[in-house]
Amino acid sequence: DIVMTQSPDSLAVSLGERAAINCKSSQSVLYFSNNKNYLAWYQQKPGQPPKLLIHSASTRESGVPDRFSGSGSGTDFTLTISSLQAEDVAVYYCQQYYSTPPYTFGQGTKLEIK
Amino acid sequence: EVQLVESGGGLVQPGRSLRLSCAASGFTFDDYAMHWVRQVPGKGLEWVSGISWNSGNIGYADSVKGRFTISRDSAKNSLYLQMNSLRTEDTALYFCAKGYTYGFNSYQDYWGQGTLVTVSS
Repeated sequence: DIVMTQSPDSLAVSLGERAAINCKSSQSVLYFSNNKNYLAWYQQKPGQPPKLLIHSASTRESGVPDRFSGSGSGTDFTLTISSLQAEDVAVYYCQQYYSTPPYTFGQGTKLEIK
Repeated sequence: EVQLVESGGGLVQPGRSLRLSCAASGFTFDDYAMHWVRQVPGKGLEWVSGISWNSGNIGYADSVKGRFTISRDSAKNSLYLQMNSLRTEDTALYFCAKGYTYGFNSYQDYWGQGTLVTVSS
C-alpha cells in the first residue's frame, strides 16, 4: 500500500501570512501515460465532511479561492495558502488515488491562527 | 445540486452486522464511481471501499477486506455497504462520497454528512 505522510502535524500561521503543508508518498503517484499526478487535497472543518480543494496535484476545484494552490510531482507535494484567512482554519488531508486501492490519506495537518 | 444522504448507522454489538445506505441525487448516478470513507471521531480519514460505475471494479481497504461488501443499485440511485463481523475498531463516522469519474481510482468530489456506527457491547 502507498503510505502518505504529511508534515507538519499542526501549523499556526498569522492572518495574511503564507501557510504550506507538505505531503510525501511512499511511491510515485505520477502516471507517465498522461503525465498526471494522482494526488488530491481536502479541507475539513469541524462538524463538516471533507471538501475537495485540489486534484491532480495542482488543479484547483471550481469555486475554491485562488489563494489555495498545489504543487509537486512524483512523491513530494505541497498545498500552499498564499494569504491565510480566518475561514481557512481546518484540518487538511492529502490523498493518493493512483492505480489500485487502497486510496490512502495522509494523517492530516491542523491549521490554526497564530 | 448533488446530494448524498447516508443512513443505517447505529449501535451494534461486536460480531454483528449492519448495512449502510447512501441515497444519491442531483447527478446521473450510473455514470460515476462511488466510495465509502470513514473517520474515527477526532481522528483522520480512512478510505474504506470503492465501486466503479458498472460495479465491474471494486476495492477494499485491507482492514475491512472479507468482512465488508460494497454494492450499488442504479434503479434506486443508492450505494450500500454491508458490514459483517463488526469489530470495536470499526466504530467511526462513515461518509458516502462520489467519484469524479466512472473509474474507481478517482478522487472524491462530493461527500455526504456521514452516518455514525458504534460497535460496542
